[in-house]
Parts: sequence; C-alpha cells; structure tokens
Amino acid sequence: DVKVTQSSRYLVKRTGEKVFLECVQDMDHENMFWYRQDPGLGLRLIYFSYDVKMKEKGDIPEGYSVSREKKERFSLILESASTNQTSMYLCASGSGVVRQYFGPGTRLTVT
Amino acid sequence: GEDVEQSLFLSVREGDSSVINCTYTDSSSTYLYWYKQEPGAGLQLLTYIFSNMDMKQDQRLTVLLNKKDKHLSLRIADTQTGDSAIYFCAAHGNQFYFGTGTSLTVIP
Repeated sequence: DVKVTQSSRYLVKRTGEKVFLECVQDMDHENMFWYRQDPGLGLRLIYFSYDVKMKEKGDIPEGYSVSREKKERFSLILESASTNQTSMYLCASGSGVVRQYFGPGTRLTVT
Repeated sequence: GEDVEQSLFLSVREGDSSVINCTYTDSSSTYLYWYKQEPGAGLQLLTYIFSNMDMKQDQRLTVLLNKKDKHLSLRIADTQTGDSAIYFCAAHGNQFYFGTGTSLTVIP
C-alpha cells in the first residue's frame, strides 16, 4: 500500500518566516509533485521532480523553491512566507504517467 | 497550459445517479482521470481512461469520453451519502492539469 506522508497537517507561520514542508513516499517513485489547492481554483502545480536533484517549475513557482536530495523526500520551501501563500499544500508521487498518489495535505496559514 | 473546467457544485438525492462533467482544452491529453477528495484528506484516484477509449465502467462508476468535444464525464450510479466529496477531473499531456473540483452533496 503506497504511502505518501507530509510533515504537518496544520501549520501557522508569520509573514517573512522561512517555511519548510516535507513530503516522503515509500514506493521508490521517480516523480514527485507539489500542488497548492485553493477554493474555486482547484490544484495548481508549483514544482515537480523527475529524479534526485532534478526539479522543474510548474505553473506557479514564484515565491517557492524545492529540494530533492533523496529519492523518497521532496521538500517545498517558502523563503519568506506571505499571506497570499495561505493555502492547502498537497504532495504527490508517482511512477510514469498513469497515476499520482497524494499525501493528506498541509494546511498552511500565514499571519 | 491546459484549461480543465468543471462546475463547482452538484446536489443529488440518495439512490439517484450523479453525473459530473469536465471539459479540457488540450487535444493531445493522453490520460484523463477522476479523483475523489473527502474532507480533510488528500486526493484518491477513482478511475482513469486512456484517450483512445470512449467509455470505461468500474462497478458504480462510468466514465465517458468525447474526444471530439474534449468532454469527460463521471457517472455514479445509486449515489450514496458516502459519495459526498469533491471530485477532480485531471488531464495529462506533458504534465498533470487539474480542474477546479466539483463538490457533490448527497441528500439522504
């Protein structure tokens, strides 16, 4: 049974803080993804990675960076959190294009 | 990028059929997906269809694909209260694109 875990379910940070969101998968998947989910906007791709140390920008990478030092772990970094980054963040992993497996999400509030 | 559109809300009575619709813009999308998100949870893949198919059935779920109109639908037969959730349509061409999600409410 595939498991994708995210480091926190809920997180509250202050404007200007550096924020790390961690995602770990246990299925040796090559591909990992970070999305943000906002009401009425669906899921929007922030960054994805096809291999260790590789990253590709998605549709909304501004204000975010990522790190993939190990195959099982994909980190999303908010260098200086802002209130418009308050959102639900979803991590996913997959092998090939057939499906993605999602984590439970991290609800981030920036005050 | 690709646009994937869905209506935001749908209400049905328990036992009726639900039909959730989706349109997409990239005719080169090779896989089309339906995901379900229950409250407080991540997305769970329900079913997917390859673009050379026009129908796929899996128990209570039927997916119809009209490739000419770039229209995808998900029919849930005998809808139950446990089917209440947000349903996301997604398309994969060179990357995954998700729709806005349709919130399905099942009225007992």
